[in-house]
Amino acid sequence: NAGVTQTPKFQVLKTGQSMTLQCAQDMNHNSMYWYRQDPGMGLRLIYYSASEGTTDKGEVPNGYNVSRLNKREFSLRLESAAPSQTSVYFCASSDLRGVAEAFFGQGTRLTVV
Amino acid sequence: GQQVMQIPQYQHVQEGEDFTTYCNSSTTLSNIQWYKQRPGGHPVFLIQLVKSGEVKKQKRLTFQFGEAKKNSSLHITATQTTDVGTYFCSGNTGGFKTIFGAGTRLFVKA
Repeated sequence: NAGVTQTPKFQVLKTGQSMTLQCAQDMNHNSMYWYRQDPGMGLRLIYYSASEGTTDKGEVPNGYNVSRLNKREFSLRLESAAPSQTSVYFCASSDLRGVAEAFFGQGTRLTVV
Repeated sequence: GQQVMQIPQYQHVQEGEDFTTYCNSSTTLSNIQWYKQRPGGHPVFLIQLVKSGEVKKQKRLTFQFGEAKKNSSLHITATQTTDVGTYFCSGNTGGFKTIFGAGTRLFVKA
């Protein structure tokens, strides 16, 4: 019973490098989300996908792109990493029918130097 | 745009004392959720409130949703060291865009 799986767990990038954070869920949820968490800032929504084939910007989308590859997978790409993108990234999924409980992955701790 | 404010940012309590965190939205919410995040962990769902004026209890935790569906609170009675962590509220206005508050970090001294 994996739930939401994120890879990698830790990553160090140099400024200007690119990378993709992977997220997969096995709960057949329609909606998936990417958040970043910074000290004192809570969880800020980067992008979300209400269903397969759709993506929308959240609160802080600049510098990121996403792909909803299929119902299970939702990836987050940093094209040219900046130190301001140092953060902990969480992927989440939910089935918004009924209880809007979001299930979170374990997080990716990203440092950009 | 939609904003969710949460206060206080931090709270230090002695074990056995009560604790309350408050959540206020700039817009009327369709529903509100509460999560707990242990240090180094990920947010874990606690409960959802949907109805105006709704009150729900989980053992020592009491959750309230305001009459105007713009505010909510989480009250913990007689805190224990296991309550340590950050408590987040989140809500949406009927769509899929769910916004989180900044969280209240609870410290409990034994």
